[in-house]
Amino acid sequence: AQKVTQAQTEISVVEKEDVTLDCVYETRDTTYYLFWYKQPPSGELVFLIRRNSFDEQNEISGRYSWNFQKSTSSFNFTITASQVVDSAVYFCALHGSGNTGKLIFGQGTTLQVKP
Amino acid sequence: DTEVTQTPKHLVMGMTNKKSLKCEQHMGHRAMYWYKQKAKKPPELMFVYSYEKLSINESVPSRFSPECPNSSLLNLHLHALQPEDSALYLCASSQGMYGTGELFFGEGSRLTVL
Repeated sequence: AQKVTQAQTEISVVEKEDVTLDCVYETRDTTYYLFWYKQPPSGELVFLIRRNSFDEQNEISGRYSWNFQKSTSSFNFTITASQVVDSAVYFCALHGSGNTGKLIFGQGTTLQVKP
Repeated sequence: DTEVTQTPKHLVMGMTNKKSLKCEQHMGHRAMYWYKQKAKKPPELMFVYSYEKLSINESVPSRFSPECPNSSLLNLHLHALQPEDSALYLCASSQGMYGTGELFFGEGSRLTVL
């Protein structure tokens, strides 16, 4: 079975704090892809990053960074110096090789950044 | 701006009404999806079209009827809905149904059934 767990339901931080969103996944596939999406109040799911199972290099994009560790089946997302505009629901998702287009989403983490 | 456009953004309908949700993409993608999202929940897959043919139906009730008139358009026809069908309906597209799974989502149509 495939599963994505985001244990943090809600996180509240003050602007400029760093925050890490956790994601743990389960899959028996050897080839798979992991994603993070951001969903602001407008509703659209905004693609942030995709990682394939063979690339464990950490990635940094501006204030965003991702830590992929196959040994712990985790794909954590860190926002450095958070801003109010980062307030949104963040979803971690898994796409296995046999999933034929179906993304397995975690339950989502609601991030509130206060000024 | 999103490259997947959904209309209408908001829809209120009674249980006896017939309405449709529309989705359009011009990225040349050959797979299109309908997802349903209830408040404070992740999106749930409803249908997948690949090359304009229905490939996946996640056991969705027949009161939801998808249609893919061409490679750029995806409709969701609604009839005799229930109040519990009130949700955000998200359309998405991808280059193909198989592959890396990267989906591009629209802003969604927020449906309220009275």
